[in-house]
Amino acid sequence: GENVEQHPSTLSVQEGDSAVIKCTYSDSASNYFPWYKQELGKRPQLIIDIRSNVGEKKDQRIAVTLNKTAKHFSLHITETQPEDSAVYFCAASKIHTGFQKLVFGTGTRLLVSP
Amino acid sequence: KAGVTQTPRYLIKTRGQQVTLSCSPISGHRSVSWYQQTPGQGLQFLFEYFSETQRNKGNFPGRFSGRQFSNSRSEMNVSTLELGDSALYLCASSSDAYTDTQYFGPGTRLTVL
Repeated sequence: GENVEQHPSTLSVQEGDSAVIKCTYSDSASNYFPWYKQELGKRPQLIIDIRSNVGEKKDQRIAVTLNKTAKHFSLHITETQPEDSAVYFCAASKIHTGFQKLVFGTGTRLLVSP
Repeated sequence: KAGVTQTPRYLIKTRGQQVTLSCSPISGHRSVSWYQQTPGQGLQFLFEYFSETQRNKGNFPGRFSGRQFSNSRSEMNVSTLELGDSALYLCASSSDAYTDTQYFGPGTRLTVL
């Protein structure tokens, strides 16, 4: 089955710096890759997602890139702010197949210091 | 629209008991998935229901079961609770079985003593 690896497990940056989190997946049939942000004691919130027919997607300070050949995708956060501090999870799934199973990475704890 | 809701938010049980958790999806959503979140194992898929049918199941023992009602509300049941079942149980809904985006509820924090 699908396996998703996520690095790094923790990431500390200064406010205003950029942060990059990387994930690799094993199943070449996976075609949907969401990123979730989970603040302490809160539910995971979708922040951005990308489908396999797209190489990059941006939403303000957040961007995701996908390399299907290498089977990896990355989350880029620019101009980080203290409120970006949270745990970020990448995930992979196969949509349009009736399989709604999200396979998650192990999470990255991002700490943005003022 | 109201978001995904889960009840109860917190539960404390003892080993050997059973528990039932409830999830109400976003109005109009027909697919409900359940996940277990623990510090050690992260977020793991339990099962997914669509139109009252279980379509997918993760690698959990048979003590974990679920169902979905005609109004798309879903319940999951854990029988013969073990200490290792202590976790945050999250449900997520999406509009149909072929749509990508899953929206999570706040979770039920289960503690087994």
